[in-house]
Amino acid sequence: AQKVTQAQTEISVVEKEDVTLDCVYETRDTTYYLFWYKQPPSGELVFLIRRNSFDEQNEISGRYSWNFQKSTSSFNFTITASQVVDSAVYFCALSEAKKIKAAGNKLTFGGGTRVLVKP
Amino acid sequence: GAVVSQHPSWVICKSGTSVKIECRSLDFQATTMFWYRQFPKQSLMLMATSNEGSKATYEQGVEKDKFLINHASLTLSTLTVTSAHPEDSSFYICSASMEGPLTTDTQYFGPGTRLTVL
Repeated sequence: AQKVTQAQTEISVVEKEDVTLDCVYETRDTTYYLFWYKQPPSGELVFLIRRNSFDEQNEISGRYSWNFQKSTSSFNFTITASQVVDSAVYFCALSEAKKIKAAGNKLTFGGGTRVLVKP
Repeated sequence: GAVVSQHPSWVICKSGTSVKIECRSLDFQATTMFWYRQFPKQSLMLMATSNEGSKATYEQGVEKDKFLINHASLTLSTLTVTSAHPEDSSFYICSASMEGPLTTDTQYFGPGTRLTVL
């Protein structure tokens, strides 16, 4: 069975500080996908990144960066120079990559980490 | 691209009534749509998976007669909460994904519907 653990339930930082969100996953699949989503107070989940299990290159997008380490089954997310608008709940999720068309891949979500950025 | 809408964004109803929530993919064809439920300060719980033109697959513990799902077209899925009771009050979120050579589709989420049953 797949499992995603986000050990940090809530993180509070002051604006401009960096914040790193941990994500550890468990899966028996050799091929899988990892995701990060942001859920601001409005409630809508915003897709941030998708990473497949064969690509361990770290990725940077603006102030966001992701560190994927297959050896430790972790996919951590760092927000650099945090801003008040970054305040949200962030979810890490895992899905398997099926080879059968139209077999919708289910997502297994972590419990989420609430980030509060204070001005 | 990949925009998903939900309607209504919030609804208040009396106990015993039925409520229909629509989920639409606005700029892509969604071969698969998912329905989630989220309680305050908790993660998303998958309720069911639906593919266009076929019956939905419900997760264990989800009553299929209580939560009716219809995926009539590649851009529309509906969730009907039948005979709603206060314990059905929750935030319902849908997502949609596109078919690909490998179903590595990213799920794109709607803005959610907050249901309050009095």
